[in-house]
Amino acid sequence: EAGVAQSPRYKIIEKRQSVAFWCNPISGHATLYWYQQILGQGPKLLIQFQNNGVVDDSQLPKDRFSAERLKGVDSTLKIQPAKLEDSAVYLCASSSANQETQYFGPGTRLLVL
Amino acid sequence: AQTVTQSQPEMSVQEAETVTLSCTYDTSESDYYLFWYKQPPSRQMILVIRQEAYKQQNATENRFSVNFQKAAKSFSLKISDSQLGDAAMYFCAYHSGGGADGLTFGKGTHLIIQP
Repeated sequence: EAGVAQSPRYKIIEKRQSVAFWCNPISGHATLYWYQQILGQGPKLLIQFQNNGVVDDSQLPKDRFSAERLKGVDSTLKIQPAKLEDSAVYLCASSSANQETQYFGPGTRLLVL
Repeated sequence: AQTVTQSQPEMSVQEAETVTLSCTYDTSESDYYLFWYKQPPSRQMILVIRQEAYKQQNATENRFSVNFQKAAKSFSLKISDSQLGDAAMYFCAYHSGGGADGLTFGKGTHLIIQP
């Protein structure tokens, strides 16, 4: 069974530029999560989708971050415009509906200069 | 809101020895799940072990076992026969019961394996 896929693996941009990350969850997993992990900290939930609907986006900085999950499968996370403090690893995870165990992708390392 | 605390920023153990990583959490819920994830330098989070709060029996997965003390809100991870490949960041995480929710993570413990 294929795991969670993410791309790109690395991205370097300058502040005020925009960037987008892509995630493909494990086949059949209804729930998809985006986490932000700043260096030296544990991951923090940004947004959670159930199929193509948003369940929780309370910690998403909506003035610059947006996310969508088309057709309840793939998801994209966008930052526009990026700030220096957005430098982090962005992790995507998925789980079966109403299941607690989440499986993570390899992450995207973002560096904002 | 739930909080997860890992009080050991770094731990070191000799290869083949046993090491215990500590985790405490705060919650008012009675139904929840606890996890340990391993994060090597590649940054991918790998599930090590999970524990359901309603189960009294401590979870085990090969060389990995937990000591779950519900009343004390403690959830430690024991790694037996430590191997060089165990070197990584280890994160303790909490999940509310009753459905799919985001995980609340601790700050992690950096585990060093001395050859």
